Amino acid sequence: LAKTTQPISMDSYEGQEVNITCSHNNIATNDYITWYQQFPSQGPRFIIQGYKTKVTNEVASLFIPADRKSSTLSLPRVSLSDTAVYYCLVGVPLSSGSARQLTFGSGTQLTVLP
Amino acid sequence: NAGVTQTPKFRVLKTGQSMTLLCAQDMNHEYMYWYRQDPGMGLRLIHYSVGEGTTAKGEVPDGYNVSRLKKQNFLLGLESAAPSQTSVYFCASKDRSGTGELFFGEGSRLTVL
Repeated sequence: LAKTTQPISMDSYEGQEVNITCSHNNIATNDYITWYQQFPSQGPRFIIQGYKTKVTNEVASLFIPADRKSSTLSLPRVSLSDTAVYYCLVGVPLSSGSARQLTFGSGTQLTVLP
Repeated sequence: NAGVTQTPKFRVLKTGQSMTLLCAQDMNHEYMYWYRQDPGMGLRLIHYSVGEGTTAKGEVPDGYNVSRLKKQNFLLGLESAAPSQTSVYFCASKDRSGTGELFFGEGSRLTVL
């Protein structure tokens, strides 16, 4: 299993860009990197997923260096409603049909201040 | 579509009692997962299933059993509840093709006295 390491917490102010980095030194060739957001008393919600280089969607960007041993989630111009826990996951079900265990780390508590 | 539905949402048990949590998904997903989340902690995988009739152990399977008799349902059972099993339980599902994303239920809060 690919173990992930993230900062425990981060603070930011409204309107700033926030970058959260995840380390995954033993990522496997077939593994994708996925980020989830979780609000209190809710299940995690998918944010973005990537394999290499850069991926961007309407809410975030994901930067993955060539060695893929880390990844950075970038949230542009955060607001108070972005206060949540952010999880980085590494893994993917193999095409043969078996499912690699998708393991969550401890996550990063992002607090956006006014 | 309802997505992933968990029942019950809340339950209080006494030590030694048994219960079953039901997860139902209407997205025709192959993969289903049960996680537990303790206060201030991340999610830990209990059991998962790659298809109807199959189950496998995750990180913390002890004290739990699961069954996947129908593709849309994944049941998590506690045969003899212990206070250490007080937690919030989340079910998730995922399709088989490509990478896909995990779709989570809203959670089931279990307290064992």
